Amino acid sequence: EVQVVESGGGLVQPGRSLRLSCTASGFTFGDYPISWFRQAPGKGLEWVGFIRVKAYGESTEFAASVKGRFSLSRDDSERIAYLQMNTLKTEDTAVYYCTRALGTMIVAVSDYWGQGALVTVSS
Amino acid sequence: QSALTQPRSVSGSPGQSVTISCTGTSSDVGGYNYVTWYQQHPGKAPKRMIYDVSKRPSGVPDRFSGSKSGNTASLTISGLQAEDEGDYYCCSYAGSYTLIFGGGTKLTVL
Repeated sequence: EVQVVESGGGLVQPGRSLRLSCTASGFTFGDYPISWFRQAPGKGLEWVGFIRVKAYGESTEFAASVKGRFSLSRDDSERIAYLQMNTLKTEDTAVYYCTRALGTMIVAVSDYWGQGALVTVSS
Repeated sequence: QSALTQPRSVSGSPGQSVTISCTGTSSDVGGYNYVTWYQQHPGKAPKRMIYDVSKRPSGVPDRFSGSKSGNTASLTISGLQAEDEGDYYCCSYAGSYTLIFGGGTKLTVL
């Protein structure tokens, strides 16, 4: 069974950093891009970014709202992907979803989603 | 980039059909065949219902169908059932390796 599970969420002060982890099982992790999304309380979905597979250089893309503050990495041997969030703002408060994605250069579809990790940015 | 435009809510009775629209521009919906529809129930993660405009993943009932005309994509649900109630989001590739969502549509089954 394909599963992705986020961890590392919590309460953090504005300007600080937090790293989310995404642990996967049930599929060949290194064969798939990983895409991240978020959903602010009571709001809609927003794409955050994705990381491609090793064959595509593990290159990353980000939404304009997080570019330069967030980064992505992956450890295929451990089947874990990471979302590093720096210089957090109150508007980054959201449930963050890790997903198994489909595609190569264009990563436009996510077929399996985790249950999400809540990140609250507040003083 | 502005969000894609979806109706805030739609409703229908069991057995009826409803269509949810998703309007963008030639830079997103109209320019690529990468429109995905996600269903989300309260407190749950989204679920992929339609991808690449009109493809249906295995396990999704054939009551769900997708289409596109110009800059507007549509999700049609026929034979409405109570379990179809929830929020629906369209998502499109928007060029430069970015994705953009609609604001979401709340479907109520009367």
